[in-house]
Amino acid sequence: GEDVEQSLFLSVREGDSSVINCTYTDSSSTYLYWYKQEPGAGLQLLTYIFSNMDMKQDQRLTVLLNKKDKHLSLRIADTQTGDSAIYFCAERVNRDDKIIFGKGTRLHILP
Amino acid sequence: DTGVSQNPRHKITKRGQNVTFRCDPISEHNRLYWYRQTLGQGPEFLTYFQNEAQLEKSRLLSDRFSAERPKGSFSTLEIQRTEQGDSAMYLCASSLVTRSGNTIYFGEGSWLTVV
Repeated sequence: GEDVEQSLFLSVREGDSSVINCTYTDSSSTYLYWYKQEPGAGLQLLTYIFSNMDMKQDQRLTVLLNKKDKHLSLRIADTQTGDSAIYFCAERVNRDDKIIFGKGTRLHILP
Repeated sequence: DTGVSQNPRHKITKRGQNVTFRCDPISEHNRLYWYRQTLGQGPEFLTYFQNEAQLEKSRLLSDRFSAERPKGSFSTLEIQRTEQGDSAMYLCASSLVTRSGNTIYFGEGSWLTVV
């Protein structure tokens, strides 16, 4: 079946690193994505990783993929107040090519 | 602006009325998706098009919902006889499917409130 699970809430102090975790169930997933959603707005694609990769780094963002455990994480270094948002993990299910989303993790930044 | 464009951004309607949302995808994208998002949830897949062909419809899409993409460019999502449970944000997304991937870009969404 298709299911993407995330913790619903994360609180981090400004300047610290944030790590948002996600698990997925479909082993045929080829791409895994992280999207950011600010209040009242649509979804902004942050980064994605192909399933044959273990890690991808893009400026302050690091994505780690453990395909054996079907675990994906997003690390945001030096978290800023502008990073406050909901972060959605999503998988592309290869057989029908649609994207399945988790419920999102709300990242709250403490001063 | 060459992103995905949706309108109207907000719509308040009385229960039982029909509403239509429009989506203009990124111009060279061949695939167009509709998702629905309710408060506290992630986006839920509704349907998608490859050019003008509607390839899949979710069970969430009751017979009151219809989507079209007549010329393979813009798309409309119509909800007939709206119910309060239809209140949500309707997100459109588009992508260019290639052998190397399918990165989906979302619009800002159309908020529907049924009163």
